[in-house]
Amino acid sequence: GESVGLHLPTLSVQEGDNSIINCAYSNSASDYFIWYKQESGKGPQFIIDIRSNMDKRQGQRVTVLLNKTVKHLSLQIAATQPGDSAVYFCAENRGSYIPTFGRGTSLIVHP
Amino acid sequence: DAGVIQSPRHEVTEMGQEVTLRCKPISGHDYLFWYRQTMMRGLELLIYFNNNVPIDDSGMPEDRFSAKMPNASFSTLKIQPSEPRDSAVYFCASSSGDSYLGGYTFGSGTRLTVV
Repeated sequence: GESVGLHLPTLSVQEGDNSIINCAYSNSASDYFIWYKQESGKGPQFIIDIRSNMDKRQGQRVTVLLNKTVKHLSLQIAATQPGDSAVYFCAENRGSYIPTFGRGTSLIVHP
Repeated sequence: DAGVIQSPRHEVTEMGQEVTLRCKPISGHDYLFWYRQTMMRGLELLIYFNNNVPIDDSGMPEDRFSAKMPNASFSTLKIQPSEPRDSAVYFCASSSGDSYLGGYTFGSGTRLTVV
């Protein structure tokens, strides 16, 4: 079946480094993608989104890149801080209202 | 706005007991979702409502689970009888139909432990 998946379940980085979290999707009909951050004991929180007609979108310290050719999505976090430690989920929408969530990647930031 | 409010935050119950989880969505949001999160299965959509009407409950695991939304500001998810395999974190989320492109707003979840 079609699914959203993550390449790396855990990513460890040093404070100040840049982080890259990857996500693969299998449905070329997906037209909208969202990244969520989930801190311990909290619900997922919206970070940034991107439509399929874009390749790149930037936010505050975060950038999402979309490569439709290889069906790949990435989240880049600049100057990673301890507060960025969390589980990051990608989600895709396939023309419907209900997104499909990936399994998540745990980002650990070492001081 | 206080965001999506869920109660209780933690619930420990014995197998066979009834459990009721509660959710107050963001005022003005016309979509409400119930998700279950486990390490094994990740985030699973159980059911969602639009304007208080259940639209898709295909994710509800079995007849032991039921959800209601009597009005725009309140929803419940009930498990009766509860089983140990129901142990998980249950999230409620809400969204406006005009802003789905901005994603959902999730509550802080209810951690359910069935012993």
